[in-house]
Amino acid sequence: GDSVTQMEGPVTLSEEAFLTINCTYTATGYPSLFWYVQYPGEGLQLLLKATKADDKGSNKGFEATYRKETTSFHLEKGSVQVSDSAVYFCALSDQGFGNEKLTFGTGTRLTIIP
Amino acid sequence: ETGVTQSPTHLIKTRGQQVTLRCSSQSGHNTVSWYQQALGQGPQFIFQYYREEENGRGNFPPRFSGLQFPNYSSELNVNALELDDSALYLCASSLKRGEGPNTEAFFGQGTRLTVV
Repeated sequence: GDSVTQMEGPVTLSEEAFLTINCTYTATGYPSLFWYVQYPGEGLQLLLKATKADDKGSNKGFEATYRKETTSFHLEKGSVQVSDSAVYFCALSDQGFGNEKLTFGTGTRLTIIP
Repeated sequence: ETGVTQSPTHLIKTRGQQVTLRCSSQSGHNTVSWYQQALGQGPQFIFQYYREEENGRGNFPPRFSGLQFPNYSSELNVNALELDDSALYLCASSLKRGEGPNTEAFFGQGTRLTVV
């Protein structure tokens, strides 16, 4: 079945550091890929997405490129801020099922220190 | 445009009891999905409702059941609660147009269920 493997956390960085959170996936079809963010006490918010190979999703300075050859969708940001502290989830949706269920990784907790 | 709202926000139940969680979908959305997020884990798909019928189910036992109402709101019912059912339960709504893919899913803030 479908699965998502994320870089283990927690990750602690200083403000303005470069961020990479690794994500790889296994899927039978041609999934869409997502990064969701969960701030303390809140639900999930979609950060960015990519629906086909070589697509790059971007939002709020975060980027991720859909790499079919390496089955990866790594999240990057050039200069992190304290406000980026949250839990980040990589997810996929295999549209072939028709019900569009999301399969999530276990999440990576990111803490940014001033 | 109202977002996805869930109630209650927190709940404590005793093992063996039954619980009902509620979700109001975002305005204009017709599909509701439920997820279970155990502490320190990613959300796990429970099931999805579309046109008041279950439209896909994850690896959860039959004691997890649901309903969708004509206004597209939804309920998640869990019978015979077990300690391992303690988790954050998330509801997500989206718009399904015919046979095409759903629009982006918007999540509620969740219901924190504790089973003692």
